[in-house]
Amino acid sequence: DAKTTQPPSMDCAEGRAANLPCNHSTISGNEYVYWYRQIHSQGPQYIIHGLKNNETNEMASLIITEDRKSSTLILPHATLRDTAVYYCIVSGNTPLVFGKGTRLSVIA
Amino acid sequence: SAVISQKPSRDICQRGTSLTIQCQVDSQVTMMFWYRQQPGQSLTLIATANQGSEATYESGFVIDKFPISRPNLTFSTLTVSNMSPEDSSIYLCSVGQGASTEAFFGQGTRLTVV
Repeated sequence: DAKTTQPPSMDCAEGRAANLPCNHSTISGNEYVYWYRQIHSQGPQYIIHGLKNNETNEMASLIITEDRKSSTLILPHATLRDTAVYYCIVSGNTPLVFGKGTRLSVIA
Repeated sequence: SAVISQKPSRDICQRGTSLTIQCQVDSQVTMMFWYRQQPGQSLTLIATANQGSEATYESGFVIDKFPISRPNLTFSTLTVSNMSPEDSSIYLCSVGQGASTEAFFGQGTRLTVV
């Protein structure tokens, strides 16, 4: 079973920051937080992952709370192409176990 | 990152037949996995493809229905046997290098059984 809880859906205005929350209150010390997204009819795309420090790459930022029980994925300037299902996954190793994710709709 | 090619990208098959899906990676990888995504659902892990030994199947999936081969570190196949309409899904190959690293996915094979 997935170890994370995400809202089923969210909307975001184009050009604004999209903040996607994830709860993982049972995370273990050696488990990472991974974010993937799946655009319709495509394979999941890796976005970012982290252990306890905040992380940033060209796609997004990952903010992990100090107690590691929750995190937020931030897309700084959402575009229509960011419309997708976003999966937050907690794992200490592969393979990854997917939950239901958050369906993000970016609206013009 | 790894580039993963899956073939075929889609197929329509008659019930009772079998389909073999190929997964080719552009570099040697430690771990390869097969997932299924039923319509409107999330991804479900079918099995871990082990190089040189039998695959490790998740609960609810059996070798007779989903035989898997992994002859080397860059290639694997998944066969969906004796298909029924309930097997209509997207089948995805994934690769990883182990703990703390990201996993990558192919574009999937969209299977429709009629």
